[in-house]
Amino acid sequence: NAGVTQTPKFQVLKTGQSMTLQCAQDMNHNSMYWYRQDPGMGLRLIYYSASEGTTDKGEVPNGYNVSRLNKREFSLRLESAAPSQTSVYFCASSEVTSGGRETQYFGPGTRLLVL
Amino acid sequence: QKEVEQNSGPLSVPEGAIASLNCTYSDRGSQSFFWYRQYSGKSPELIMFIYSNGDKEDGRFTAQLNKASQYVSLLIRDSQPSDSATYLCAVRLYSSASKIIFGSGTRLSIRP
Repeated sequence: NAGVTQTPKFQVLKTGQSMTLQCAQDMNHNSMYWYRQDPGMGLRLIYYSASEGTTDKGEVPNGYNVSRLNKREFSLRLESAAPSQTSVYFCASSEVTSGGRETQYFGPGTRLLVL
Repeated sequence: QKEVEQNSGPLSVPEGAIASLNCTYSDRGSQSFFWYRQYSGKSPELIMFIYSNGDKEDGRFTAQLNKASQYVSLLIRDSQPSDSATYLCAVRLYSSASKIIFGSGTRLSIRP
């Protein structure tokens, strides 16, 4: 049981290059999220997916696209990277248990540097 | 106004004392509230979840929720140096039930 996995762990891009960040979870959670975290700041929601086949914009969606490929996988794509997208990207998944308790688990993060 | 607000700190507390962290939110109908701990260079870890008014205790941690005043707090009793971290408050919005929004976090330092 790996929880939430992310690839790659670290990436350097040049301005204008594109890349896709991969995320997968093995907990059978319906909801998945992409956040970014800049130095000294909290997490800002980029996109989220409440269930397979649905995606919605979060607080800072500009410059990103997402795909909920299946229940396990939720990818984040940067079509034309900009230095302002230098950040640590976290993927997360969440579920509500039968008792009403909510859980949210995070992946280890992807550190992205855009030059 | 930010949807979730926290004092960024740093908050310095002596070892063995009670650390008190506060969070306010703007979406009045929000129902679910989370506290995460994040060590430097690591991913956030969920430590408390609360959805009912009042207190919820788990070991040395107590979460307090007051929906009328729109704040949620985290108390850490018998603070240990290992509690030094950034604590993030998060809220599941009523206006968009699947969105979980975070505050900017409070840095906590426990001094020996």
